[in-house]
Amino acid sequence: GAVVSQHPSWVICKSGTSVKIECRSLDFQATTMFWYRQFPKQSLMLMATSNEGSKATYEQGVEKDKFLINHASLTLSTLTVTSAHPEDSSFYICSARGPGTGALTDTQYFGPGTRLTVL
Amino acid sequence: EDQVTQSPEALRLQEGESSSLNCSYTVSGLRGLFWYRQDPGKGPEFLFTLYSAGEEKEKERLKATLTKKESFLHITAPKPEDSATYLCAVQAWVNQAGTALIFGKGTTLSVSS
Repeated sequence: GAVVSQHPSWVICKSGTSVKIECRSLDFQATTMFWYRQFPKQSLMLMATSNEGSKATYEQGVEKDKFLINHASLTLSTLTVTSAHPEDSSFYICSARGPGTGALTDTQYFGPGTRLTVL
Repeated sequence: EDQVTQSPEALRLQEGESSSLNCSYTVSGLRGLFWYRQDPGKGPEFLFTLYSAGEEKEKERLKATLTKKESFLHITAPKPEDSATYLCAVQAWVNQAGTALIFGKGTTLSVSS
């Protein structure tokens, strides 16, 4: 149980184009989803938190207009990197947290990550 | 400021050589301490959640313990397949969105046969 998928697993794009990454909770309803980015040999940095049906809350220093997050359903959140540039190249990881009480509502389950390379 | 510090940064062990990883934290109002395992190029895999001092949890060769200031991940008789980066995170309130995880930088474990 508690499986999170991401698509695509890797993507290469040209500078200036937009890229959409999907995050799905496969066997539970995720009221809250999170997006992280991770640079080589560094830990995860939280980019934004999104609750289903609400606007995402972005961490300080993360550009809202560049990283568009949509959490339209209880099983799907998308991250769109708009007008991507080489410095946006990174490993993007989503996680999902369930509703209710107990371990499911506190524990974040992570997707496998998406490697973005912008040329 | 909420903070998580893991040590050592890297640890090399021989197969069967037991050891411990440390995670020290400062957080106002701990609502769970989490251990994850991350393999290169993959997302973190959930291992344990600990909520209160004195709590312990075990899974195969791994055992996690929690005090008021730190957590330990004990690895007993490790095998090469235990090689990975182990991440510690605490749950804290962030903005008005609720709680989120604050991660340490991780300990990269290498186990050689």
